[in-house]
Amino acid sequence: QKEVEQDPGPLSVPEGAIVSLNCTYSNSAFQYFMWYRQYSRKGPELLMYTYSSGNKEDGRFTAQVDKSSKYISLFIRDSQPSDSATYLCAMLDTGNQFYFGTGTSLTVIP
Amino acid sequence: DAGVIQSPRHEVTEMGQEVTLRCKPISGHNSLFWYRQTMMRGLELLIYFNNNVPIDDSGMPEDRFSAKMPNASFSTLKIQPSEPRDSAVYFCASTWTGANSPLHFGNGTRLTVT
Repeated sequence: QKEVEQDPGPLSVPEGAIVSLNCTYSNSAFQYFMWYRQYSRKGPELLMYTYSSGNKEDGRFTAQVDKSSKYISLFIRDSQPSDSATYLCAMLDTGNQFYFGTGTSLTVIP
Repeated sequence: DAGVIQSPRHEVTEMGQEVTLRCKPISGHNSLFWYRQTMMRGLELLIYFNNNVPIDDSGMPEDRFSAKMPNASFSTLKIQPSEPRDSAVYFCASTWTGANSPLHFGNGTRLTVT
């Protein structure tokens, strides 16, 4: 079993929809949680960075962490065609090791 | 503020040739990571350095791969000899270890070995 599980998709939604992206993990040592957005032929770009359980909001993006269930989510409200990308979840453990999901490919259709 | 800078952006070479990928981390960061990304395997960690010292190279696939970090602002990843199965996108990333900071990635080098 992988340390981080992420549904690869692909996910296709109409413009304006609410998108939910999810990752599960098995390691209780994971303390910090990140979401990266990767456009085609570009490097992963940090989107959200959270530590505690609960929600963190940044514009149309909300990151949610549930440490008791070992589950994190990224919500995108009012999705736009420019949100079409691959979204990677990532986790940092207490030993400064990073673990990445395989990425979910998202297409927002105008 | 300049991000992580990688060069070249694209590299096409023939099997057996030596390939050198270059990376300049974000100024002030003390850790540097090399990743390889393919459709099949996603992001794979190859090696990471802390304060210019290699800490974990267990992800380096074979002796054909080597990496150096001669100073805090420069790192290289070398493949010699290259093989078609090395074709992938290679990313460099940096961070400040000790502050639980996230990774910041460059835009990668797309390597094609024919």
